[in-house]
Amino acid sequence: ETGVTQTPRHLVMGMTNKKSLKCEQHLGHNAMYWYKQSAKKPLELMFVYSLEERVENNSVPSRFSPECPNSSHLFLHLHTLQPEDSALYLCASSRGTGYEQYFGPGTRLTVT
Amino acid sequence: DQQVKQNSPSLSVQEGRISILNCDYTNSMFDYFLWYKKYPAEGPTFLISISSIKDKNEDGRFTVFLNKSAKHLSLHIVPSQPGDSAVYFCAAADAGGTSYGKLTFGQGTILTVHP
Repeated sequence: ETGVTQTPRHLVMGMTNKKSLKCEQHLGHNAMYWYKQSAKKPLELMFVYSLEERVENNSVPSRFSPECPNSSHLFLHLHTLQPEDSALYLCASSRGTGYEQYFGPGTRLTVT
Repeated sequence: DQQVKQNSPSLSVQEGRISILNCDYTNSMFDYFLWYKKYPAEGPTFLISISSIKDKNEDGRFTVFLNKSAKHLSLHIVPSQPGDSAVYFCAAADAGGTSYGKLTFGQGTILTVHP
């Protein structure tokens, strides 16, 4: 595997479900990011991890819970989501907290 | 309040001609700007960047121009190729602050290059 991978690619969940999104980077980077892209809206930064420590939390509701167990893996734990949380969730990584970020293909999430 | 705006949702260009994609920003603290390209079912990929100490950066067929006084940047693709058809995102950062890699994105422009 190369680059940044995300699983699953598609996810449908009910509002009472608990699920997790997984991201893995194979680039030797030490910063990782979660972004959300809703329909007809720009990409919005959700969380930033640098050296496995969360350094940015962009006013994201607590029903989204990130976890970064090591510099190669990033998870987004989801629980009691709302239909408006349906979106494309993108993971990215970079060398340091740099701006040239490498993105995964995203997880298309639908909350029913 | 959108700090980075791409006012043209789409652009259609003939192969071989120039494509010009525009981006405006409102936050005067932004001092580093990037363009990303996104194909369907893939994540965005970094294309080119420019620091506010420059007004132009060129990489092959791609050139980014920055007009700080107008808070405007543009991406020129010359010559355009059908493979350039994608969504192009402009992004900005306050590199001088403690922004920890925080990028603010525009909504994107869909570029279609016709053979």
